[in-house]
Amino acid sequence: QVQLVESGGGVVQPGRSLRLSCATSGFTFSSYGMHWVRQAPGKGLEWVAVIWSDGNNKYYADSVKGRFTISRDNSNGTLYLQMKTLRAEDTAVYYCAKEARDVASFPRGWFDPWGQGTLVTVSS
Amino acid sequence: QMTQSPSSLSASVGDRVTITCRASQDIKNYLAWYQQKPGKVPKLLIYGASTLQSGVPSRFSGGGSGTDFTLTISSLQPEDVATYYCQKYSGAPHTFGQGTKLEIK
Repeated sequence: QVQLVESGGGVVQPGRSLRLSCATSGFTFSSYGMHWVRQAPGKGLEWVAVIWSDGNNKYYADSVKGRFTISRDNSNGTLYLQMKTLRAEDTAVYYCAKEARDVASFPRGWFDPWGQGTLVTVSS
Repeated sequence: QMTQSPSSLSASVGDRVTITCRASQDIKNYLAWYQQKPGKVPKLLIYGASTLQSGVPSRFSGGGSGTDFTLTISSLQPEDVATYYCQKYSGAPHTFGQGTKLEIK
């Protein structure tokens, strides 16, 4: 079955960097767009970034543009989120999510499934 | 921008419940609904505005197109206590609504 497992979260000081990973299995990773979504404590879902299946197109929420970089390694089925210049407002559970249908399908942009999430806390 | 209403809702078991989601521009039917139970990961309920995901109870239904969408629970059950989110996928940003918290009266 499809599995998405995030890692790399933790406590980090404001202004520092952190890299999250999402290890996947159970599907052909290179055929699917992948997303990061975050949820601040007690708040709603916020879409963060998407990377297309071939890695050549990436889009970001305005709140993270210029500070976060999404990437992927199709050789080992792993998605990444490099986060720089972290702020207190970046504190959240970060989920990776797989697009429900592969690159040959249209439309395809809804998410299924989601990983369990990894908590990032930005605090001094 | 995606705007959900209401932000919270309390209803009785067996009630018909409707949540509304409005898009700031025409998104055709590129809309999904997710359910997030307390402490759990979001779960896909509906995509294409009205297509029920496999395994989702038939009391859930979705409707609408363009800018106005609805999620309806035909007969509310105790296990439906959750926060519900709409999401557009017509192109980046894949914005979520702010959520509707559903409780049992």
